[in-house]
Amino acid sequence: EAQVTQNPRYLITVTGKKLTVTCSQNMNHEYMSWYRQDPGLGLRQIYYSMNVEVTDKGDVPEGYKVSRKEKRNFPLILESPSPNQTSLYFCASSLRSSPYNEQFFGPGTRLTVL
Amino acid sequence: AQKVTQAQTEISVVEKEDVTLDCVYETRDTTYYLFWYKQPPSGELVFLIRRNSFDEQNEISGRYSWNFQKSTSSFNFTITASQVVDSAVYFCALMPSGTYKYIFGTGTRLKVLA
Repeated sequence: EAQVTQNPRYLITVTGKKLTVTCSQNMNHEYMSWYRQDPGLGLRQIYYSMNVEVTDKGDVPEGYKVSRKEKRNFPLILESPSPNQTSLYFCASSLRSSPYNEQFFGPGTRLTVL
Repeated sequence: AQKVTQAQTEISVVEKEDVTLDCVYETRDTTYYLFWYKQPPSGELVFLIRRNSFDEQNEISGRYSWNFQKSTSSFNFTITASQVVDSAVYFCALMPSGTYKYIFGTGTRLKVLA
């Protein structure tokens, strides 16, 4: 089944404790992206990657890191999480051949930073 | 500035009513792409439609229709004869040409009452 998977789905952590949210897709998509969803703010793009070893900042990259060492994986790293990073996070992927392509989203990761 | 405005935070309708969700965008680019996504109560994000800036044809898909008007920078979404299963948060998104950055609106929560 074609899908985007995220792990963990739920995470409660404390300020300053490094964490990684994994994202994997099995559709051979070049483009992958991370978003955060907050009440009243909609979805905001954190980082995106157009292919292996190619990443770029979205609108809200502060406090986050990403890497794209393999085509299928695009982990989101919070080196020192803070309470304002409490949010619902979505990973997405699409074919890169055209920006016109629809994005396929993962199920989301609900992160709480105490 | 690139921006998407969904001024309607929440709309409630009774089943079988028609409802229009508004989306107004801002971009200086002459080439861009517009999208609608649906987020049902289960939380996943589902692609509904895409449109490029050169294609102003309206589109109809079953009970769904989309009205793209460049003159007013709007890409509105109408559901005809709404059903309870249409209850969801709907997001409009913009991708300016030459970038793979997505700009989402804040979403409109639609409640369809039986």
